Amino acid sequence: GQSLEQPSEVTAVEGAIVQINCTYQTSGFYGLSWYQQHDGGAPTFLSYNALDGLEETGRFSSFLSRSDSYGYLLLQELQMKDSASYFCAVVVNTGFQKLVFGTGTRLLVSP
Amino acid sequence: DAGVIQSPRHEVTEMGQEVTLRCKPISGHNSLFWYRQTMMRGLELLIYFNNNVPIDDSGMPEDRFSAKMPNASFSTLKIQPSEPRDSAVYFCASSLQAGTTDTQYFGPGTRLTVL
Repeated sequence: GQSLEQPSEVTAVEGAIVQINCTYQTSGFYGLSWYQQHDGGAPTFLSYNALDGLEETGRFSSFLSRSDSYGYLLLQELQMKDSASYFCAVVVNTGFQKLVFGTGTRLLVSP
Repeated sequence: DAGVIQSPRHEVTEMGQEVTLRCKPISGHNSLFWYRQTMMRGLELLIYFNNNVPIDDSGMPEDRFSAKMPNASFSTLKIQPSEPRDSAVYFCASSLQAGTTDTQYFGPGTRLTVL
């Protein structure tokens, strides 16, 4: 089976930097994705890491360490609109590929 | 592009009734996914189609749930009979290529309430 752990909630202020960690235990690991979901909205893709290291996309970066079964999402220059839930999701390949989502981290950005 | 389209956006029904949720994936996308989201269980993959063929339905809760994809532009998720524990937001997502390393694009979801 698969299990993912991420903090349930993180708070920060505008302009700050926040890191959301994700640890996983799974077989058939292929990569790690991150999705953002605003209240009442749909999940939207943020990033995908298949290889170890850091991927940067604007204010957001994502990191993966396959040997540690660990990844994180780094959000810089936080804005109020970044208040949302952030889900890590492992891509697993057990004959076919599928996404298994974590329980999500609710990020609250205050002024 | 209009994105993934789902209907209805909200559905309220009584226990025992049949519910049909509909999804139109992004044109040209070959893979389609149905997810269910609840506070208790998070975001769960129910079933996944590739080129209109069901690939993995291991997430379908029980025989009351069924999904079809008669063509590349339409899919349905049916619950018969519905139960209060089926209350959730159901998302449809599509991706361009087979395999989920490709970005998945989610529809707005259908919020189902079973009384």
